Amino acid sequence: DAKTTQPTSMDCAEGRAANLPCNHSTISGNEYVYWYRQIHSQGPQYIIHGLKNNETNEMASLIITEDRKSSTLILPHATLRDTAVYYCIGTLYGGSQGNLIFGKGTKLSVKP
Amino acid sequence: KAGVTQTPRYLIKTRGQQVTLSCSPISGHRSVSWYQQTPGQGLQFLFEYFSETQRNKGNFPGRFSGRQFSNSRSEMNVSTLELGDSALYLCASSQGNEVTFGSGTRLTVV
Repeated sequence: DAKTTQPTSMDCAEGRAANLPCNHSTISGNEYVYWYRQIHSQGPQYIIHGLKNNETNEMASLIITEDRKSSTLILPHATLRDTAVYYCIGTLYGGSQGNLIFGKGTKLSVKP
Repeated sequence: KAGVTQTPRYLIKTRGQQVTLSCSPISGHRSVSWYQQTPGQGLQFLFEYFSETQRNKGNFPGRFSGRQFSNSRSEMNVSTLELGDSALYLCASSQGNEVTFGSGTRLTVV
């Protein structure tokens, strides 16, 4: 799995977009970028993944730079329930063959 | 559909004892992985089972073991418990790119 770097923490006002960056400069051409989040004391929850195209689902959008060295997870209208630790992971299989390598993640605090 | 079920949710054990944790994956999922989460080390991969065979293993001592049954349910066992084994143990089941985590078992070793 590729090594990823994320800011330790971020704040966001409720209702505003939360933009969470991730650097993955060593990602290989066939590794996907996956995002998970973990709300306090619960198991990680899958958010979104992508290879090289931007992706959007009902939870978030994922913007991957053309050189694939970084990406940004966008929560378009953050709510208090989005307060969590967000993990960016570069992986071949997204966890379907076990060994996801979790870093420290970004602790996002959504404030009223 | 039902999610990943881990039992028990909380457990307190004494140093030196052994413990068995259980995980029932989502129906149809054949891969089950286990992770340990501590404040100091974060989320760390323990091992993964697929069709009753260990397919991947993390860097943990042999006191940590697991198995998977024919119905894909999995158990992990920790023998000779140490204080440092206190952690949240998470199970994840997967099929293709779909990975779902359970809520975990909180183990406290005293």
